[in-house]
Amino acid sequence: QQPVQSPQAVILREGEDAVINCSSSKALYSVHWYRQKHGEAPVFLMILLKGGEQKGHEKISASFNEKKQQSSLYLTASQLSYSGTYFCGTAFFGNEKLTFGTGTRLTIIP
Amino acid sequence: EAGVVQSPRYKIIEKKQPVAFWCNPISGHNTLYWYRQNLGQGPELLIRYENEEAVDDSQLPKDRFSAERLKGVDSTLKIQPAELGDSAVYLCASSSHRLGDKVNTQYFGPGTRLTVL
Repeated sequence: QQPVQSPQAVILREGEDAVINCSSSKALYSVHWYRQKHGEAPVFLMILLKGGEQKGHEKISASFNEKKQQSSLYLTASQLSYSGTYFCGTAFFGNEKLTFGTGTRLTIIP
Repeated sequence: EAGVVQSPRYKIIEKKQPVAFWCNPISGHNTLYWYRQNLGQGPELLIRYENEEAVDDSQLPKDRFSAERLKGVDSTLKIQPAELGDSAVYLCASSSHRLGDKVNTQYFGPGTRLTVL
């Protein structure tokens, strides 16, 4: 029941946009997004709780499509500081346990 | 506000030796999690505590792993004896379950990188 993330890795130039997807085979209750830099703790970005919900965090936003059991993370006008590995964690109704995807490595180059 | 504190940050041991990791959660957070993160993978839950009670330890390899959170604050995760496959980063996270919250935000510590030789 591990969510599937795509792409596995992406390289962007500073200022370009990126989309990272997180898909589940089971009905989701919540999706949690984190960014982790090498050797550091995962840092919380945002939680999405219900279908169709969209949230924003600076130039990073996300959506949750309940019908598709999918969440997408949008990074616009990417900055060097956005480099890292992005993980989605999914939870099902009635269960607080988070199951994390395998991550998407984002590299921003000048 | 101080974040989740873990120690040590790095540990190198030989196989069959014991090892222990310590975690102090964010003040006031009643829920504490231990995760294992293998290289290139996402964190995998080992055990979750609500105060002193282990409410989910289904993923904890109980033959060699143990954990405790005696006073409902800090926690210790132990491996005895360690095996080569235990090499990973061990992350601690905490969250605050407040009445009315639909979901908890988990905040992670920096982790302990364990190398078993």
